[in-house]
Amino acid sequence: GESVGLHLPTLSVQEGDNSIINCAYSNSASDYFIWYKQESGKGPQFIIDIRSNMDKRQGQRVTVLLNKTVKHLSLQIAATQPGDSAVYFCAAPSGNTPLVFGKGTRLSVIA
Amino acid sequence: DAEITQSPRHKITETGRQVTLACHQTWNHNNMFWYRQDLGHGLRLIHYSYGVQDTNKGEVSDGYSVSRSNTEDLPLTLESAASSQTSVYFCASSPVSGNTIYFGEGSWLTVV
Repeated sequence: GESVGLHLPTLSVQEGDNSIINCAYSNSASDYFIWYKQESGKGPQFIIDIRSNMDKRQGQRVTVLLNKTVKHLSLQIAATQPGDSAVYFCAAPSGNTPLVFGKGTRLSVIA
Repeated sequence: DAEITQSPRHKITETGRQVTLACHQTWNHNNMFWYRQDLGHGLRLIHYSYGVQDTNKGEVSDGYSVSRSNTEDLPLTLESAASSQTSVYFCASSPVSGNTIYFGEGSWLTVV
């Protein structure tokens, strides 16, 4: 069945470095992808999205890259800050059903 | 500002009791969802609704029910609470399918 998964459950980066969080998806028909950030004790918060007709989309300090050939997307965070510490989820629609979420990657920023 | 709110935010209940978690959104979104989040499982879909009087089962719907009598609310009912239903529950909504969904702050439920 369809799935969305992240490559690593945890990621530790030094403050100021760039972070890269990866996600693989299995449904080649998926045409919309979203990244969420979830801080401890809070609900997931939308960060950035990308449609399948794009390869790259940039936001404030974040960039999402989509490689449809290998069904992979990544979230890049520039100049990672302590406030970026959180769990990051990728998500994609699965047919007519609601968003399917990966298990999440916990990003820890080392000061 | 429009928002999505859940209540209660924290609840402890006994096995076998009926529990209802409320979800209210003021965005006038057609679509509403309930997810549960457990360590090692991520976010799993319980039930969802694409409009008034519409409800659908998700991945982990056993033991749960929802009703959609208006656009703003999608209450989640645990008919007979079990310890396996101890979890964090998130309500979410979106304007249309295939679009970003927005989450509430969560309801922490403990079944003892």
